[in-house]
Amino acid sequence: SSELTQDPAVSVALGQTVRITCQGDRLRSYYATWYQQRPGQAPVLVMYGENSRPSGIPDRFSGSSSRNTAYLTITGAQAEDEAEYYCNSRDSSGDHLFGPGTKVTVL
Amino acid sequence: EVQLVQSGAEVKKPGESLKISCKTSGYSFTNYWIGWVRQMPGKGLEWMGLIYPRDSAAKYSPSFQGQVIISADKSTSTAYLQWTSLKASDTALYYCAREAYDDFWSAQRWFDPWGQGTLVIVSS
Repeated sequence: SSELTQDPAVSVALGQTVRITCQGDRLRSYYATWYQQRPGQAPVLVMYGENSRPSGIPDRFSGSSSRNTAYLTITGAQAEDEAEYYCNSRDSSGDHLFGPGTKVTVL
Repeated sequence: EVQLVQSGAEVKKPGESLKISCKTSGYSFTNYWIGWVRQMPGKGLEWMGLIYPRDSAAKYSPSFQGQVIISADKSTSTAYLQWTSLKASDTALYYCAREAYDDFWSAQRWFDPWGQGTLVIVSS
């Protein structure tokens, strides 16, 4: 399958840890990248490669992967982390694919 | 600072043509692919395609092949997304983004940064 699947929504208590998952066959060969999209804003890259954060992204964000699943973990979630999170990956021909997104609610 | 600045919102009628732009600055335009992403109202991100400005090579998602045209102008460091005949279903927010990499020969790529988005409304 060429799809990427994500849980539609997760919630986390303020200050607690939440893990967002992304599954797909292409993740066996390529790392996922993760984007945060707050309402009314453009997406922002929050994780790429094996576990790399762009400049300006807090270190409470971390990435990992196992077999066909990629994970984005927020350790000590803050109110400003409430957003939609999309995973993305390429395939061998250079085509990209986005997952359907996970809405993270911080309680 | 790398920046992608997109053209403003458009309101069009079905059947009309449209070309929206993504002006880049702060990096070598010809060394990076530029991607376009659609977001329909209340929906997720959809990858539409990519263009490599150095030689104008383009890749399209099967969902968008034949529906849009992606182009680039090296002289102005600007990428474009074009429709020849709009449909109501083209109503969406469209983003451009640079396909970044640590190593040009690496297969690992990601979109960073993104433009602010261009809203296209197609309505009779």
